[in-house]
Amino acid sequence: QKEVEQNSGPLSVPEGAIASLNCTYSDRGSQSFFWYRQYSGKSPELIMSIYSNGDKEDGRFTAQLNKASQYVSLLIRDSQPSDSATYLCAVNPDNFNKFYFGSGTKLNVKP
Amino acid sequence: KAGVTQTPRYLIKTRGQQVTLSCSPISGHRSVSWYQQTPGQGLQFLFEYFSETQRNKGNFPGRFSGRQFSNSRSEMNVSTLELGDSALYLCASSPTSGAGTQYFGPGTRLLVL
Repeated sequence: QKEVEQNSGPLSVPEGAIASLNCTYSDRGSQSFFWYRQYSGKSPELIMSIYSNGDKEDGRFTAQLNKASQYVSLLIRDSQPSDSATYLCAVNPDNFNKFYFGSGTKLNVKP
Repeated sequence: KAGVTQTPRYLIKTRGQQVTLSCSPISGHRSVSWYQQTPGQGLQFLFEYFSETQRNKGNFPGRFSGRQFSNSRSEMNVSTLELGDSALYLCASSPTSGAGTQYFGPGTRLLVL
């Protein structure tokens, strides 16, 4: 069983819609969670971090964490074509800088 | 602040050779982690250094090694290259000793022929 699971997609949404990306993790003791965006041929770029149960909002992005269900999600409101990329979920299971990454969900936002 | 820098950006090597990749973290960051990214396996953790000490190592063979210098710059070395080592090698730095955000460099793309 992989430590972090994501649906590989592609997830296609029309411009202006809400994109919902999901991630589950296996280590129940994990404390910190991150979403990265990766454009083709580029390195991952941090979008958000979340540490506590509930929602965290930053502009058009909202991260949601449910530790009981071992589930993290990312909502992108008013999706733009420039949001088209692969979104990586990362989980840090302990107090060291060692992340487990999901395989990524490819998002296509159609104009 | 300048971001994480990695050199070289591209490398072509042949099987059996060795390679050294370099990473300079964001100024003030003492933690440097290395990852390998391939289409089949995704992003996989190689190792992490903090204050010149390797604290964690991923599930990679001993051909993969690294070190960190007193100025926090880090190098990773791969000996006896294999075709399967072709990948994007990413370095990430963090301002904290643990459980903090990691910021990635542009990566070094290694092709082994």
